[in-house]
Amino acid sequence: GENVEQHPSTLSVQEGDSAVIKCTYSDSASNYFPWYKQELGKGPQLIIDIRSNVGEKKDQRIAVTLNKTAKHFSLHITETQPEDSAVYFCAASINRGSTLGRLYFGRGTQLTVWP
Amino acid sequence: SAVISQKPSRDICQRGTSLTIQCQVDSQVTMMFWYRQQPGQSLTLIATANQGSEATYESGFVIDKFPISRPNLTFSTLTVSNMSPEDSSIYLCSVSPDSYQPQHFGDGTRLSIL
Repeated sequence: GENVEQHPSTLSVQEGDSAVIKCTYSDSASNYFPWYKQELGKGPQLIIDIRSNVGEKKDQRIAVTLNKTAKHFSLHITETQPEDSAVYFCAASINRGSTLGRLYFGRGTQLTVWP
Repeated sequence: SAVISQKPSRDICQRGTSLTIQCQVDSQVTMMFWYRQQPGQSLTLIATANQGSEATYESGFVIDKFPISRPNLTFSTLTVSNMSPEDSSIYLCSVSPDSYQPQHFGDGTRLSIL
């Protein structure tokens, strides 16, 4: 099955700085890549996703980039705020047609934003 | 997105007992999934809950240990049977309205086994 590696496992940044989390995947057939944010005591929340027919997607301070050749994708958070502190998970799946396949998750990144 | 309610939110149980976790969604969804998240770890898919038929289990998970019901398009249960301390974990339900849309998660059930 698919293997998703995520780095770093922990990341500390100053408020206002940018944060970047990187993931690699093993199966070249993977073509859907969501990112989830999990706050303490809560379930994972979908924050952004990208499909393999695009290289970049932005939503306000959050962006995701995808390099299919290198089989890696990254989450970029700009102008970080203390409320961005959480665990972030990347995931990958293989979609057949428009049907989303099962998700394979990375191990997570604990992001801490210091005021 | 759908509102997903899980009950109980947490529980402390004795080893050898069983606990049933409920997942209720405020709208009909095609896909429902159950995950396990051990402390500080990633999410591991236990099974896909299929309406009107047996769940589809991932490698390492068996129906006798984790029986699942899915009586309709808005509700599912996961039972953790004959619990041991190794079953201490967060159990998460996720749903997708249909097979073209991303998964959304409930807030999970935090289970501790003494």
